[in-house]
Amino acid sequence: DIQMTQSPSSLSASVGDRVTITCQASQDISNYLNWYQQKPGKAPKLLIYDASNLEIGVSSRFSGSGSGTDFTFTISSLQPEDIATYYCQQYDNLPQTFGPGTKVDIK
Amino acid sequence: QVQLVESGGGLVKPGGSLRLSCAASGFTFSDYYMSWIRQAPGKGLEWVSYISNSGNIIYSADSVKGRFTISRDNAKNSLYLQMNSLRAEDTAVYYCARGGAVRGIVADYWGQGTLVTVSS
Repeated sequence: DIQMTQSPSSLSASVGDRVTITCQASQDISNYLNWYQQKPGKAPKLLIYDASNLEIGVSSRFSGSGSGTDFTFTISSLQPEDIATYYCQQYDNLPQTFGPGTKVDIK
Repeated sequence: QVQLVESGGGLVKPGGSLRLSCAASGFTFSDYYMSWIRQAPGKGLEWVSYISNSGNIIYSADSVKGRFTISRDNAKNSLYLQMNSLRAEDTAVYYCARGGAVRGIVADYWGQGTLVTVSS
């Protein structure tokens, strides 16, 4: 199975800060990497697909980049409504696997 | 708008069975792969199974293979997960998702989830 790691596991930042989360795959997954946002008690929401494509209707302050094994997710200006856990997911090979998540809150 | 509504969760004893359902609306159900993804309490996400739009392609995680069966009824716009020989470690919120296969078939919409608790 492809192992996904994320860092940091949690972070605290101020409103307006730029926030960056990294995700690393244990083998080359090309660009088959998605980013999801999950708020407490809610279902995950797709934000970025295929490493860098913004899902329709998602704020442009979210962005993604990378290919191969190393990926980055960025919130350009953190807002209070961005408090959530963020997961990366590879879907290059079965089983699809998720990273352990990064919990983001406001300082 | 796309809606996915899961039902059928509950408390079941180890070794028991449960059938989850997912009612889909707001899109042409028969055009899409569908999947089940679960999340144990306080834990991360784990893909469980996916089924192709026609139902002829099915893959499941090793952790549920031989115990869980995914199926669909395109006439009823419904997805199912038959869960047998349930174990404590199957306790989780089960989400159905549109898509969720590999390489281009992204899980783009998720239901609100249904909680399955396996306990004596």
